[in-house]
Amino acid sequence: DTAVSQTPKYLVTQMGNDKSIKCEQNLGHDTMYWYKQDSKKFLKIMFSYNNKELIINETVPNRFSPKSPDKAHLNLHINSLELGDSAVYFCASSQASGREYEQYFGPGTRLTVT
Amino acid sequence: GNSVTQMEGPVTLSEEAFLTINCTYTATGYPSLFWYVQYPGEGLQLLLKATKADDKGSNKGFEATYRKETTSFHLEKGSVQVSDSAVYFCALREGNNRLAFGKGNQVVVIP
Repeated sequence: DTAVSQTPKYLVTQMGNDKSIKCEQNLGHDTMYWYKQDSKKFLKIMFSYNNKELIINETVPNRFSPKSPDKAHLNLHINSLELGDSAVYFCASSQASGREYEQYFGPGTRLTVT
Repeated sequence: GNSVTQMEGPVTLSEEAFLTINCTYTATGYPSLFWYVQYPGEGLQLLLKATKADDKGSNKGFEATYRKETTSFHLEKGSVQVSDSAVYFCALREGNNRLAFGKGNQVVVIP
């Protein structure tokens, strides 16, 4: 059973389009995260939700909007895609946010904007 | 702010060689430290961690010791295998359980 899953695995789209990446975890965790990994493998947090409430919102363009319909899902919607949005996006989850719990990562979604 | 610095560049070495990847950090207080590994085409997996000074994390033959004097958490393995080829990330935990990562090191082990 996959603990943290993401769809799609690959996403190729054109500049200006709007796209979504979905994430689901079946670990019963309360907290979920989105990270962006650029072409040089540098990994940086974008957002974090705890029980559907936004708790981390890094300096990310407002074209990126996370949505958490329930605590098992955290989707990432991106408007007006730009070339610089090309990256691998990782979803992660952990038991809680305020204490030291291990984060479990999904397999990643490789987004290519042409 | 907090930050993690890893040595520059990929690491290429022969099977059974000794591996060291340097990691130093800047932080207020003494955050928990981690090493994550990313195998080709996969997400990150926790390799080991240390939560306080002088703790040693270990897993799969890898070790790292939390050194507050040198603000370091270097990763070592005595005898690498081809299957250890991956990208290794050092990280520290900040508030709200967020992780701050280093830039990662590609490790290539050749038979």
